[in-house]
Amino acid sequence: ILNVEQSPQSLHVQEGDSTNFTCSFPSSNFYALHWYRWETAKSPEALFVMTLNGDEKKKGRISATLNTKEGYSYLYIKGSQPEDSATYLCAPRPGNNRKLIWGLGTSLAVNP
Amino acid sequence: DGGITQSPKYLFRKEGQNVTLSCEQNLNHDAMYWYRQDPGQGLRLIYYSQIVNDFQKGDIAEGYSVSREKKESFPLTVTSAQKNPTAFYLCASSLAHTMGIDTEAFFGQGTRLTVV
Repeated sequence: ILNVEQSPQSLHVQEGDSTNFTCSFPSSNFYALHWYRWETAKSPEALFVMTLNGDEKKKGRISATLNTKEGYSYLYIKGSQPEDSATYLCAPRPGNNRKLIWGLGTSLAVNP
Repeated sequence: DGGITQSPKYLFRKEGQNVTLSCEQNLNHDAMYWYRQDPGQGLRLIYYSQIVNDFQKGDIAEGYSVSREKKESFPLTVTSAQKNPTAFYLCASSLAHTMGIDTEAFFGQGTRLTVV
């Protein structure tokens, strides 16, 4: 079983603050890493799919980096807005497995 | 609009009864998945299907059954053998996973099943 850890578990920030979360996973046998945003009462929505060590991806104010050698990914949100409030999930896919392994998520609340 | 639809949103059943959760997608995706969410746990895979008429057990398949007779549909039956069926169930779909290509999953809004 792959251990996926996300930190922090929850985060409260003020509008305009920049923030970041961590997803840690075993570095051996890595294949891909997914990031999803899950707003309350909505469906999880894909943010990024990352596969290469050193990958950096960006979507608007949100960006992510990937380090497969040490087994972590960072998600950054620049200038947080109330609409960024959601749970952010990461899910690595081991190389020998078709299944994503899901973390517990980081719950972000952005206060106006 | 393309998307994935789960129904119903809320479902109540008496203990001992089988219940079927619906999942339909019009994204032309080959792969479909069923997940279960419980408090304090990450999403856990129940069953998945990479192609019509084929499906595989996930990590927690006991007490569940699925069918994949059409590309668009992947219903999940929660049987009376499932010891703790009350949970939130999510269906997802994606392009078929092939070596060298990893694609995002699209999710439905989920079904909350309560067994009393």
